[in-house]
Amino acid sequence: GDSVTQMEGPVTLSEEAFLTINCTYTATGYPSLFWYVQYPGEGLQLLLKATKADDKGSNKGFEATYRKETTSFHLEKGSVQVSDSAVYFCALATPTGDYKLSFGAGTTVTVRA
Amino acid sequence: DTAVSQTPKYLVTQMGNDKSIKCEQNLGHDTMYWYKQDSKKFLKIMFSYNNKELIINETVPNRFSPKSPDKAHLNLHINSLELGDSAVYFCASSLAVSSYEQYFGPGTRLTVT
Repeated sequence: GDSVTQMEGPVTLSEEAFLTINCTYTATGYPSLFWYVQYPGEGLQLLLKATKADDKGSNKGFEATYRKETTSFHLEKGSVQVSDSAVYFCALATPTGDYKLSFGAGTTVTVRA
Repeated sequence: DTAVSQTPKYLVTQMGNDKSIKCEQNLGHDTMYWYKQDSKKFLKIMFSYNNKELIINETVPNRFSPKSPDKAHLNLHINSLELGDSAVYFCASSLAVSSYEQYFGPGTRLTVT
């Protein structure tokens, strides 16, 4: 079935460091791809999305590009802040599928001042 | 205004008890979901309803029963609680069943002792 695999955490880095969280997917057809973020004690929020190959999603300084050739959707931010400490989830949806989002296992990111 | 709200936020109960978690959304969305997040942050879909009709019914024990009195509400009732039911339960909603941009509630942390 359709699935995503994201890099295991936890990831700890200093403020202003560069962040990359790897995400690769397995899907039949042409999925839509998402990054959700969960701040401590809260529910998930949609961070960004891309619906077709070569699309770039961006929000709050985060970016991810839908790469069909490498089946990847890596999340990047050039300069992280303490407020970016959260759990990040890569997710996939197949438009003609079963109406489910398939979430990755989540990557915990901690940014130190 | 809270878009997706859940009550209670915390629930501590003993094994064998029956409990309910309530969810309401004021976004005018047609589709609502229940997810279970375990201690390792892994997120699993349990149920979804579209306009009061059950759409997704994952492999969960039949002690779990969702109820949707109207499209703005989706409640989760759990009978005969077990230790393994301890988790954070998230309600979410989306505009339509084919919309994968989901809005999550703050979660209900259930602890079974």
